[in-house]
Amino acid sequence: AQSVAQPEDQVNVAEGNPLTVKCTYSVSGNPYLFWYVQYPNRGLQFLLKYITGDNLVKGSYGFEAEFNKSQTSFHLKKPSALVSDSALYFCAVPSGGYQKVTFGIGTKLQVIP
Amino acid sequence: NAGVTQTPKFRVLKTGQSMTLLCAQDMNHEYMYWYRQDPGMGLRLIHYSVGEGTTAKGEVPDGYNVSRLKKQNFLLGLESAAPSQTSVYFCASKLAGGPLDEQFFGPGTRLTVL
Repeated sequence: AQSVAQPEDQVNVAEGNPLTVKCTYSVSGNPYLFWYVQYPNRGLQFLLKYITGDNLVKGSYGFEAEFNKSQTSFHLKKPSALVSDSALYFCAVPSGGYQKVTFGIGTKLQVIP
Repeated sequence: NAGVTQTPKFRVLKTGQSMTLLCAQDMNHEYMYWYRQDPGMGLRLIHYSVGEGTTAKGEVPDGYNVSRLKKQNFLLGLESAAPSQTSVYFCASKLAGGPLDEQFFGPGTRLTVL
C-alpha cells in the first residue's frame, strides 16, 4: 500500500532561518509525491509535486522539495522562513490505483518573529 | 473560476437531525472527494466519486451517504447526526485519474453536533 509518514507534529523555526519539514514514503512502483499547505481556517492548497527525474522540485511561495530515493524521503524546504509560512503542511501520495490520495498526518510549522 | 465551493460554511445540528453538504466545482473535474479533518488525525476520506453517477466508500463512510447526480456537484448527507460527526468537512476535486493530477480543495464546512 502507498503511504507517507511525517515524523514531526510541529516544527518551530525563527524568521529568516532555513526550514525543513520532513516526509518519508513507502510506495510500490514509481513514486508520485505531493506537498500541500493549509493556512488557518482554509482548505488545503497544492504546493508542489515530484516528477520522476527531478530530485529538487520547485513550487509555490519559494518552497522546494528534495527527493532522495535511497532514504525514501521527500523533505520540504525553504531557504528563509517567513512568519506568513506558519501553517499546516501535508505530504501526500496517490493511492487506490491513483483514484485516491493518501495524506500524511500533517506537520504544523510555526515561524517565530 | 470559483474553483471548489462548499455550502454551508458553518452549521450546528442537534443529535438525530439530518443535513446535506453541497460541494460544487466549475473546473470540469471527473473526480470528487469528501474528507473530514479532526485534530491529530489528519484528513480522512469519507466517500469519493470518479465520475457522474458513481460513488465509492473511503476509510470512514459509516453514517454518511453521497450522491453525484451532476458532474459538477457532490453531495454529502448525514441522515441522523451524532456528536462524533462534529468535524470540519472538506470537499476536493481532481481532473481525473492521473497520478500527477493535484487535488483542489474547498474552504471547508465546520459542523457541530450537539
